[in-house]
Amino acid sequence: ETGVTQTPRHLVMGMTNKKSLKCEQHLGHNAMYWYKQSAKKPLELMFVYSLEERVENNSVPSRFSPECPNSSHLFLHLHTLQPEDSALYLCASSQDQSDLPYEQYFGPGTRLTVT
Amino acid sequence: GQNIDQPTEMTATEGAIVQINCTYQTSGFNGLFWYQQHAGEAPTFLSYNVLDGLEEKGRFSSFLSRSKGYSYLLLKELQMKDSASYLCAVRDSNYQLIWGAGTKLIIKP
Repeated sequence: ETGVTQTPRHLVMGMTNKKSLKCEQHLGHNAMYWYKQSAKKPLELMFVYSLEERVENNSVPSRFSPECPNSSHLFLHLHTLQPEDSALYLCASSQDQSDLPYEQYFGPGTRLTVT
Repeated sequence: GQNIDQPTEMTATEGAIVQINCTYQTSGFNGLFWYQQHAGEAPTFLSYNVLDGLEEKGRFSSFLSRSKGYSYLLLKELQMKDSASYLCAVRDSNYQLIWGAGTKLIIKP
């Protein structure tokens, strides 16, 4: 595997379910990100991890819980979601999230539908 | 507040040239990125500008004017595979990326 991978690619879940999204990067990067992408809206940054420490949490509801066990893996744990949480969830990684202009590399995303 | 504006949708003809504009109002500026996103796929990096002027990379060029809060992405010799959404993103004073909603580019034969 190369680049950034995400599983599952598609997920349908009820509002009472608990599920997890997984992201893995094979690029040797030390920063990882979760984004939410809704139709015709800008990418919304949810969480940032740098060197496995969470450095950004943009007021995301507690029903979304991230986990970064090491620099290559990132999880997003989901519970009691709402229909408006249906969206494409993108994972990205970069060399660092500080002042250097390193671009972010994105995974293919998980298309989440909450019923 | 912080804001990135881009046209929602543009249409162009195969073989032609198209310019996609991006204007921004952000708290500070530490660079501007353009990404390409095909339907159902991940965004991929196209270009980065931090100084005023034009950066050329094959058929694609990106321009920046920091005093005007303005950038454009220029695509030449359009091909059908260029049909995609083009995302503009600005890194603000906190080095956080602020994203535009993207411009959907439709290429017609």
